Amino acid sequence: AQSVTQLDSQVPVFEEAPVELRCNYSSSVSVYLFWYVQYPNQGLQLLLKYLSGSTLVESINGFEAEFNKSQTSFHLRKPSVHISDTAEYFCAVSDPYNFNKFYFGSGTKLNVKP
Amino acid sequence: DARVTQTPRHKVTEMGQEVTMRCQPILGHNTVFWYRQTMMQGLELLAYFRNRAPLDDSGMPKDRFSAEMPDATLATLKIQPSEPRDSAVYFCASGAGTGGEQYFGPGTRLTVT
Repeated sequence: AQSVTQLDSQVPVFEEAPVELRCNYSSSVSVYLFWYVQYPNQGLQLLLKYLSGSTLVESINGFEAEFNKSQTSFHLRKPSVHISDTAEYFCAVSDPYNFNKFYFGSGTKLNVKP
Repeated sequence: DARVTQTPRHKVTEMGQEVTMRCQPILGHNTVFWYRQTMMQGLELLAYFRNRAPLDDSGMPKDRFSAEMPDATLATLKIQPSEPRDSAVYFCASGAGTGGEQYFGPGTRLTVT
């Protein structure tokens, strides 16, 4: 089974500051990578994904993530956060032998303070 | 606006009772997933289906849990008998095929007393 590690369970940050949420995974073979966001009392929503091609992927609301194969990482960044970005963020990795099956990290709670 | 729907959104029941949760995947999606989310364990995959056939239910306690897809528009997750340790939020997700993203429903919050 894949292992997905999100080292930071909580990240407090002030509004308009930059943020990085870290994600590392264990596979040495090709996988698909995803970031999901969960707002309180809601389901998970896809934020962005890496399937192939450019290692830098972007979302429509200013987040970006970079696939780093050598470091098996897929860190999520935003140069300037808003209060509305307060949510829990989950990194997910597909099973390398069954791309329909995902493994989720334990989540990082981003708390944006005014 | 296509989305996954789940019913009920909240369920409170007593230990020993049967619980049935329902999910309507997005029309045209051929894979359906059931997840359980708890504070202690995070998000766990319980089972998933492709084209209504169960492909993997290794994450599901077999003695009390069962998952089915009676038709392409309905997936069910049943717990019988329920126990307090089953209290969690249960999510259904659907996807369009290999390597695609999964679209999550709003979840069913189950409390077993």
